Amino acid sequence: SYELTQAPSLSVSPGQTARITCSGDALPKKNAYWYQQKAGQAPVVVIYEDNKRPSGIPERFSGSASGTMATLTISGAQVEDEADYYCYSTDSSGHHGVFGGGTKLTVL
Amino acid sequence: EVQLVESGGALIQPGGSLRLSCAASGFVVSVNYMTWVRQAPGKGLEWVSSIYAGGSTFYADSVQGRFTISRDNSKNTLYLQMNSLRADDTAIYYCARLFPPTNTKGGGLIDYWGQGTLVTVSS
Repeated sequence: SYELTQAPSLSVSPGQTARITCSGDALPKKNAYWYQQKAGQAPVVVIYEDNKRPSGIPERFSGSASGTMATLTISGAQVEDEADYYCYSTDSSGHHGVFGGGTKLTVL
Repeated sequence: EVQLVESGGALIQPGGSLRLSCAASGFVVSVNYMTWVRQAPGKGLEWVSSIYAGGSTFYADSVQGRFTISRDNSKNTLYLQMNSLRADDTAIYYCARLFPPTNTKGGGLIDYWGQGTLVTVSS
C-alpha cells in the first residue's frame, strides 16, 4: 500500500527555521496537507493543497512541493510550535487517504 | 457552529463488533464528504475510511471487508460499523469533515474534527 515518509523528529532553537519533509511517489500529482497535533488534542490543519494557509494560521507556516517531496517550513519557530506534524495525501486514485508517520518537532 | 460528537467507543473482545456514531451539527452530513481517522495509543494518525456526498465509500486496506462507513441523513449522523475487531484496531477514532479539493489533484481538507472516541480491543 502507498506510504508517505517523514523523519521521526526534528529539533530547532527558537527563532530558527524548521523544515519538515514528506516524500511519496504520488506527490507530484496529488495534494499535500499538513496537520499539527499537540498532546491530547485533535489535529489542526496548517497547510492545505501544498501551499495554502488557512485563516488563523500564523504566516511563519508555509508549504511547498516539488517532485516527490512536500515541505512544511516554519520560519522563526516558536516554543508554542512544539507538536507532532503529519503530512496527508492520497494514493494515485485520489480517494484513499494516507498520513505520513509524523515528525515530532522540539523547539528549545 | 460546526460540531462533531462521536460516541460508541468501548472495551470489546477480539472478534467482536462495534458501531461508532458521529452526530454532526452546523452542517449537513449528506452533502459533505466525511471521513474516519484513527490513532493508536502513542502512535500516528491513520486514515480509515471516507464517504462522499454521492455515496461512494473508500477504505484503508487494513479495514477493508471488516468496517463499513454509512450515514443517516434524517439524524445527520455518520457511522462506522466495525466487525471482526482485532487488537491492532485499538485506537482513538476521530470523525471528521473532508472538504473537497479546489483543484483536480484529489484528497481533501479535513477541516473539522470530533473529540474522538476510544476503542479498546482486548480479552
